[in-house]
Amino acid sequence: QAVVTQEPSLTVSPGGTVTLTCGSSTGAVTSNHYPYWVQQKPGQAPRTLIYDTRNKHSWTPARFSGSLLGGKAALTLSGAQPEDEAEYYCLLSYDGPRVFGGGTKLTVL
Amino acid sequence: EVQLVESGGGVVRPGGSLRLSCAASGFIFEDYEMSWVRQTPGKGLEWVSVINWNGDSTAYADSVKGRFTISRDNANNSVYLQMNSLRAEDTALYYCAKEGGYWGQGMLVTVSS
Repeated sequence: QAVVTQEPSLTVSPGGTVTLTCGSSTGAVTSNHYPYWVQQKPGQAPRTLIYDTRNKHSWTPARFSGSLLGGKAALTLSGAQPEDEAEYYCLLSYDGPRVFGGGTKLTVL
Repeated sequence: EVQLVESGGGVVRPGGSLRLSCAASGFIFEDYEMSWVRQTPGKGLEWVSVINWNGDSTAYADSVKGRFTISRDNANNSVYLQMNSLRAEDTALYYCAKEGGYWGQGMLVTVSS
């Protein structure tokens, strides 16, 4: 199965902007991989922020956005808040099987 | 409101079997694919399996292929995960998930002698 890669950790200052990326061992990530971005805080169930590249849920803060960037899926956080400190996972679809990335631990400091 | 409620978890010995259920409500169940995802405590998320809207297409992670079977009952708005030949490394919190990114609260499965 494919391997999905994410930055292990990133740090952003409060109010700052950060971009998390999600790459695939099979080549460029496209909309046909239907990228998801999932946020998880300690002790909580996962919560999907973005699905199908850029679609948001009603609970997704406006400061989060999804896109494709340089052959990868990307999650951009503009105006980071302390409550955004969490683990972020991307999920890619491979015409049947799905694969999660290893997650990015985002610190807001 | 979308609700997904898992049940059927517990402690099982290596080599044993367990069947997880997920009861869905708040949406037209038969219109959506459903998945199972698991997470070992302190580790990342691992996608396990997916089933399409009518059950005639499924996919599995390599780690569970041949041992786990996903199924659904659209009449009862439920999706299932039959887990056979369980191993210690299958110990995890198992989440039911709906297409579009809705999640249940998870059900713990412990494989231990």
